[in-house]
Amino acid sequence: SAVISQKPSRDICQRGTSLTIQCQVDSQVTMMFWYRQQPGQSLTLIATANQGSEATYESGFVIDKFPISRPNLTFSTLTVSNMSPEDSSIYLCSVSYRGLRTEAFFGQGTRLTVV
Amino acid sequence: QKEVEQNSGPLSVPEGAIASLNCTYSDRGSQSFFWYRQYSGKSPELIMFIYSNGDKEDGRFTAQLNKASQYVSLLIRDSQPSDSATYLCAVRRLEYGNKLVFGAGTILRVKS
Repeated sequence: SAVISQKPSRDICQRGTSLTIQCQVDSQVTMMFWYRQQPGQSLTLIATANQGSEATYESGFVIDKFPISRPNLTFSTLTVSNMSPEDSSIYLCSVSYRGLRTEAFFGQGTRLTVV
Repeated sequence: QKEVEQNSGPLSVPEGAIASLNCTYSDRGSQSFFWYRQYSGKSPELIMFIYSNGDKEDGRFTAQLNKASQYVSLLIRDSQPSDSATYLCAVRRLEYGNKLVFGAGTILRVKS
């Protein structure tokens, strides 16, 4: 299994500011994803982080709000821009290898509160 | 219709009993199926994944997949209070980029 380090683990931010979340994996993984889990809800995919190219965003999520970088196979960042209280959620990095018979693992998450 | 459906619960079982968690999915092309356990305030922890019809056992956990019925379940034998958590079902289809689609989760409570 992959060991995933996600930073920060939690933060309280002022509305209108931005926060960048980092995800570091201990091995080269094919796929990296960013999910959001709003209070009391399940996980929703924000985007797939693609190495060396623009991320692939899901419906309802846009690059201007959630810019993502993935400079190599072990590292990715998600920025939550111009935050509002509605952005208060847990943000989770997930990794897997491409293929049918591969597992998918999650980082410990970033609990974001926007005030 | 939601892509992945789970009964939100809570499902209450006595300690030592078998807990049965169910999940149905709408995309017949789904290929891999995952069960995660999530404790309050923590990130999801992978319990099992399955991709072939039938049963897959790992310790006290058994995943059962029936693609014809579009149904996957998780059985927890000898349930312990430490099993009390939210259990998330997720499905994956390679053509859609290996991403996971999650159900809403089932809250399990094991009473001692």
